[in-house]
Amino acid sequence: EPEVTQTPSHQVTQMGQEVILRCVPISNHLYFYWYRQILGQKVEFLVSFYNNEISEKSEIFDDQFSVERPDGSNFTLKIRSTKLEDSAMYFCATEASGANVLTFGAGSRLTVL
Amino acid sequence: DAKTTQPPSMDCAEGRAANLPCNHSTISGNEYVYWYRQIHSQGPQYIIHGLKNNETNEMASLIITEDRKSSTLILPHATLRDTAVYYCIVRGWSGGSNYKLTFGKGTLLTVNP
Repeated sequence: EPEVTQTPSHQVTQMGQEVILRCVPISNHLYFYWYRQILGQKVEFLVSFYNNEISEKSEIFDDQFSVERPDGSNFTLKIRSTKLEDSAMYFCATEASGANVLTFGAGSRLTVL
Repeated sequence: DAKTTQPPSMDCAEGRAANLPCNHSTISGNEYVYWYRQIHSQGPQYIIHGLKNNETNEMASLIITEDRKSSTLILPHATLRDTAVYYCIVRGWSGGSNYKLTFGKGTLLTVNP
């Protein structure tokens, strides 16, 4: 079964450092999403992306966050200057056009010290 | 998106059917009912979705009331591996647009031996 692949599985970083989380979507999927889940809390929407543009973003997705598809395949989430409160699991999800189903990756655990 | 209400937790005996209820009384005509689950801290896993007709797949059945204000997810023969948080989500959709999924707190289903 096709999978959404996320790397790294776990990253530890110092506060103030830049972090890039990567997602390889399922082939032919055109819609992309990032979510995060702080330990013990709900899965929260960050941003959706289609046709090289942000479709929607939440209030969490401030100027410290950015997304892009640098090479037409990977989908990345960049956090420019990490804060302690950015520690969370980050999930990428992708969706084929007309499919109505988001498929999630296994997540990247970010720990900010 | 319409809000959903789910019980915070439920128990089920292994081998028995698990029936998870969800209320979505403010659902709109173009909104679908989705069910996802999350096992421990893994990525959310799609189970099933429907608009107004009952649906069945290899994982579960979805029963939607005629007025669409509530639904029930049925796992016909629960196993220990079905222990997870189950999310009922209402999602709008129209062709060509990617609507986000909004996760609530879900129902923690514990399957007991």
